[in-house]
Amino acid sequence: ELKVEQNPLFLSMQEGKNYTIYCNYSTTSDRLYWYRQDPGKSLESLFVLLSNGAVKQEGRLMASLDTKARLSTLHITAAVHDLSATYFCGNYGGSQGNLIFGKGTKLSVKP
Amino acid sequence: DAGVTQSPTHLIKTRGQQVTLRCSPKSGHDTVSWYQQALGQGPQFIFQYYEEEERQRGNFPDRFSGHQFPNYSSELNVNALLLGDSALYLCASSPRLAGWKRAQYFGPGTRLTVL
Repeated sequence: ELKVEQNPLFLSMQEGKNYTIYCNYSTTSDRLYWYRQDPGKSLESLFVLLSNGAVKQEGRLMASLDTKARLSTLHITAAVHDLSATYFCGNYGGSQGNLIFGKGTKLSVKP
Repeated sequence: DAGVTQSPTHLIKTRGQQVTLRCSPKSGHDTVSWYQQALGQGPQFIFQYYEEEERQRGNFPDRFSGHQFPNYSSELNVNALLLGDSALYLCASSPRLAGWKRAQYFGPGTRLTVL
């Protein structure tokens, strides 16, 4: 059974700093999904990674996938307050519908 | 183009009652999945519908049931509510033919509180 683990679970950053969120998964897979959730809101798709070595960037966020290590990273560059949210990574457990998420990383960016 | 919509936004019920939540998928999407998100946790997969049938099911009891209509909209029913059913219920849609290549689009959710 697929397990998805994220770390850290909580991250307090200062504006302007860089940091990386890690997402490990337990079974072979060549895809990984990142979502953002603001407090009290739904999940917003950030990145869809579909192959080993895939790298995608949008603004101050960059996601990558290493399928051999079963690891995805979400790198934050020069953090700003607007990035404060909870970030989830997810993967499909056994079928198209069974998306399994990590526990999420709650990011707080302070001035 | 409307995204995924859900109703109601909030709901308060008492233990033992039954509840029905509704979801309309994003235009062009034919597959609907339901998730339960407890406070401070990641979403947990409940089940998925396409072609009006339940296709996949997560580790949830039979008290959780669903339906998909010909227009692809869906309902989630929960019977005999327990305090532990209090959560944010999320509906997600996707086009089945896109397979793995597309992310699921999530609706705004229904916040269910069981007293």
